[in-house]
Amino acid sequence: DAKTTQPPSMDCAEGRAANLPCNHSTISGNEYVYWYRQIHSQGPQYIIHGLKNNETNEMASLIITEDRKSSTLILPHATLRDTAVYYCIVRPTPADNYGQNFVFGPGTRLSVLP
Amino acid sequence: DTGVSQDPRHKITKRGQNVTFRCDPISEHNRLYWYRQTLGQGPEFLTYFQNEAQLEKSRLLSDRFSAERPKGSFSTLEIQRTEQGDSAMYLCASTGGDRGRSSGNTIYFGEGSWLTVV
Repeated sequence: DAKTTQPPSMDCAEGRAANLPCNHSTISGNEYVYWYRQIHSQGPQYIIHGLKNNETNEMASLIITEDRKSSTLILPHATLRDTAVYYCIVRPTPADNYGQNFVFGPGTRLSVLP
Repeated sequence: DTGVSQDPRHKITKRGQNVTFRCDPISEHNRLYWYRQTLGQGPEFLTYFQNEAQLEKSRLLSDRFSAERPKGSFSTLEIQRTEQGDSAMYLCASTGGDRGRSSGNTIYFGEGSWLTVV
């Protein structure tokens, strides 16, 4: 079973920031938070990951709460092409790097509206 | 393009036929995964290789499914005696470490191979 819970769907206006929440209340100290997205009929695309600190890259920002029990993926200026299903996954370090530990839940379907 | 290639991208087959999918991972990656995804669901783990060794198999991988990675590079996933319930997208992914940053090893996915069993 997935170790994360996400809202099933969200809408966002084009050009506005999209804030996608994820709860991972049972996360353990060696588990990273990963975000992927999947645009219709394509393979999942890596977005960003983090352990404790907030992270930013060219695609998004990841805000992890101090207790690490939840996180938020931020797309600063959403475009129509950001419409996709967004998956939040917690994953152990390489020592426990097995497929069984990389579990996708149903994700959040983000619709960016014009 | 993540660098993980899958072939064919689409396959339509009659029930009872055998099908084979190929995955070419990112060249320096030693770990390879197969997932299956049906409409409206997230990807489900099938099997995992480290180099040529198949270290993990999901209970979803029935005895009609076999995966190989003979030289630790490309991998094949064969489905024998296909059934309509096998219709899905089959995803391959690979990982081998993130350069310059200690992390959980980012997994990169291919575009998937769609199977339709009629």
